[in-house]
Amino acid sequence: IAGITQAPTSQILAAGRRMTLRCTQDMRHNAMYWYRQDLGLGLRLIHYSNTAGTTGKGEVPDGYSVSRANTDDFPLTLASAVPSQTSVYFCASSEVGGYNEQFFGPGTRLTVL
Amino acid sequence: DQQVKQNSPSLSVQEGRISILNCDYTNSMFDYFLWYKKYPAEGPTFLISISSIKDKNEDGRFTVFLNKSAKHLSLHIVPSQPGDSAVYFCAATGVSSGGYQKVTFGTGTKLQVIP
Repeated sequence: IAGITQAPTSQILAAGRRMTLRCTQDMRHNAMYWYRQDLGLGLRLIHYSNTAGTTGKGEVPDGYSVSRANTDDFPLTLASAVPSQTSVYFCASSEVGGYNEQFFGPGTRLTVL
Repeated sequence: DQQVKQNSPSLSVQEGRISILNCDYTNSMFDYFLWYKKYPAEGPTFLISISSIKDKNEDGRFTVFLNKSAKHLSLHIVPSQPGDSAVYFCAATGVSSGGYQKVTFGTGTKLQVIP
């Protein structure tokens, strides 16, 4: 593993189903983030974590949950998917403190029907 | 309320010429600005940044200019190359009330460099 990996690459999901998007980094960054990218809206922060064991809400947290059991993994769960959650999801990580660049994963394209 | 705005969704430039990508922001509390570049089917990658205490930062062919009074920054690419064709996101950052590094992204500008 080099950098950040995300799985799956893409997924088509029926509305109402539960889905977990996986994210793993090997850079030992304490901070991790989940964004969604929608046309005309840029990247919007869903949830973040500054260190293992802590999480926080971003701009658009409704319908999503996260956990941070260890430094490397930061899964994003949609408990009951809705069509408005159709988007491209990016996981990112960075050093905590200061204004450090974020390193992004390749993204997961999710379609909710 | 879009605090970081990129009003040009797309830009086409001839190879060898200058590309100028613009970004405006509304929140005077932002104190650090970054540009990210994104190719299709990949995540964004960091390109260049600037602190609010500076008005210019240069890295090779890439220069970012910051005009704090106008709340405006721009990215100049000289000379432009076909490999620069990508979507460019402007981002502004500062510490949020929650204590995390809050980064607000613009909507992106798609640059096409024509050979």
